[in-house]
Amino acid sequence: KQEVTQIPAALSVPEGENLVLNCSFTDSAIYNLQWFRQDPGKGLTSLLLIQSSQREQTSGRLNASLDKSSGRSTLYIAASQPGDSATYLCAVRSGANSKLTFGKGITLSVRP
Amino acid sequence: GAVVSQHPSWVICKSGTSVKIECRSLDFQATTMFWYRQFPKQSLMLMATSNEGSKATYEQGVEKDKFLINHASLTLSTLTVTSAHPEDSSFYICSAKVASPGAYEQYFGPGTRLTVT
Repeated sequence: KQEVTQIPAALSVPEGENLVLNCSFTDSAIYNLQWFRQDPGKGLTSLLLIQSSQREQTSGRLNASLDKSSGRSTLYIAASQPGDSATYLCAVRSGANSKLTFGKGITLSVRP
Repeated sequence: GAVVSQHPSWVICKSGTSVKIECRSLDFQATTMFWYRQFPKQSLMLMATSNEGSKATYEQGVEKDKFLINHASLTLSTLTVTSAHPEDSSFYICSAKVASPGAYEQYFGPGTRLTVT
C-alpha cells in the first residue's frame, strides 16, 4: 500500500527566502507525482505534474524534482512571497488508472 | 485550463436530512470523476470513483447507501449524503480526470463545506 509523507507539517519563513518542501513515498513504482496548492477552505490547484520518466518540472518560481529510486520528491520555491502562503500537497499515482494517494500537506506561511 | 465547479460551496443541514452536492466540468468532458472527503488538517481521502453512465466504485469503508453518487452526463456528477449526521460534517471535494497524450491529470473543484447540525 502506497503511503505518502510530508514533513514538517508546517513551515514559516521570511519573505524572499528560497525554500524546499519534501515529499516521500513508500512504493517507488509510480506512474506520476503531482504537487497541489490548497488555500484555506478552498479546493486544490495543480502546480506541477511529473511523469515517472521525468526528473523535474518547472513553472515560474516553482521547481519540482523526482527521485523514484529513493522515493522522494521536492518542491522548490524561489524568492518566496506572502502570497505563497498555503498548504502544499503531494500526491502519487501508482498506475495510469490508479487513484491518487495524498500526503497530509505542508502548511507554509511566508512572513512579510 | 480545465475548470471544475461545485455547488453549493457550503451548506448547513439538519441531522436526518439529505443534501446533494453537484460537481461540473465546465470546459471539458469528464468520463471519470472522483469524490474526496477532507477533515481539518488531514489529507484528502478518496470516497468513490464514478464513471459516466455506470455505477460508482466506492473505497473500502465508504457506505454506498449513505453517499449516493450519480454521474449522469459527461459534465455532471452528484453526491447525495442521505440521512446526514453530525459526523458527516466535512469538506467534500470533487475532481475530474483529464486525459491527454502521455499525461494524466486530475483537476479539482473548489470544495463544499457541509455542516450537519
